[in-house]
Amino acid sequence: AQSVTQLGSHVSVSEGALVLLRCNYSSSVPPYLFWYVQYPNQGLQLLLKYTTGATLVKGINGFEAEFKKSETSFHLTKPSAHMSDAAEYFCAVSRSGTGRRALTFGSGTRLQVQP
Amino acid sequence: EPEVTQTPSHQVTQMGQEVILRCVPISNHLYFYWYRQILGQKVEFLVSFYNNEISEKSEIFDDQFSVERPDGSNFTLKIRSTKLEDSAMYFCATEKDSHNEQFFGPGTRLTVL
Repeated sequence: AQSVTQLGSHVSVSEGALVLLRCNYSSSVPPYLFWYVQYPNQGLQLLLKYTTGATLVKGINGFEAEFKKSETSFHLTKPSAHMSDAAEYFCAVSRSGTGRRALTFGSGTRLQVQP
Repeated sequence: EPEVTQTPSHQVTQMGQEVILRCVPISNHLYFYWYRQILGQKVEFLVSFYNNEISEKSEIFDDQFSVERPDGSNFTLKIRSTKLEDSAMYFCATEKDSHNEQFFGPGTRLTVL
């Protein structure tokens, strides 16, 4: 079984400040990890993903995340927040290998960016 | 840029009625999914569909639910007899290849009265 825990349902940062959204996962097999963003009244958009290889992955809009197996974490960061980053962010995990592509999502973190 | 589309955007129905939610996948995508998000809760996996059959389903996906791809383009989710607890946002997602990326549609908000 897999699960995802996102610490902090709401995070508020000032424009230009560091963004750090936390994600820890549980998986009995090597996981694939994802971060999705959801803007109001829109679907989920993939920010970045980790499957294999380099553990530091870069995504769209200046976001990046690092897979740390020893900590079972996949935290999302951005050096400098922009007002347009205000949205809800979801961490998700799926099993690696063939089949079983279902995503298990965390409960989401709503990011507010203060001017 | 190609995108997944879903219709209707909002469906209101009476308890016990059947509803069909429709999704148009991105062409040449092979894997199809339905997820739902009850207000204030997590996005939950319902079912995946590949090669015209269900490849995986969650415990939520009971006999009241069914999926099909009737005309080779639309991908539908049918709820035979809706219950109040079926009220949620339903998302369709499609994927081109193994663990590439699931592209999500904008969702259908289902309200069961």
